[in-house]
Amino acid sequence: QVQLQESGPGLVKPSQTLSLTCTVSGDSMTSGGYFWSWIRQPAGKGLEWIGRAYFSGTTNYSPSLKSRVTISVDTSKKQFFLKLTSVTAADTAVYYCARVGGNSEFGYYLDSWGQGSLVTVSS
Amino acid sequence: SYVLTQPPSISVAPGKTASITCGGDSIGYKSVSWYQQRPGQAPVLVIYLDSARPSGIPERFSGSNSWNTATLTISRVEAGDEADYYCLVWDRPHDLIFGPGTKVTVL
Repeated sequence: QVQLQESGPGLVKPSQTLSLTCTVSGDSMTSGGYFWSWIRQPAGKGLEWIGRAYFSGTTNYSPSLKSRVTISVDTSKKQFFLKLTSVTAADTAVYYCARVGGNSEFGYYLDSWGQGSLVTVSS
Repeated sequence: SYVLTQPPSISVAPGKTASITCGGDSIGYKSVSWYQQRPGQAPVLVIYLDSARPSGIPERFSGSNSWNTATLTISRVEAGDEADYYCLVWDRPHDLIFGPGTKVTVL
């Protein structure tokens, strides 16, 4: 059974870049046609999808964050990454990584999630 | 952009049935999944592809999707079902979009 674990700095200064890593265990990142995704949740608020990436380099991002987000995959390390530039206090949230199941014919869904990592943007 | 609506909260007595709706324009033509999030925990997939149930999810959880409304139904509600529930829609031009969430309170 696949397991995901987020890691990275818990505090980022305004205007800097937020960087998080998700480490995957228990399954291959290249078989099964899975995408790998990031989602965030500000305290007391709902979930927001950030984007997803395939091991080949194909990416899809939320239109609202597209100009600041990069998601990449390193299959040799069994990790994928989130970079969010020019952060402000509004980017303070719990950030989750997740595996994307499904396909483009029938639809996608998030079938396995990490525990989440709190990132605070503050000087 | 594609907008989804969910009731902010519902209350249900133990043993009764809870119905959580997710509204969106022609959502019946899109793929919907549902997630349960208990306080302080990560979300868990409870329904995917409108009505499929992952292994380990009780049969009490079911889903449907038609016209402009997708519905998650929880039968024989238990205290442990108290949580926030989110719908997630996949649509080719918009990719993945979450609904605002519904807080389910078990009386």
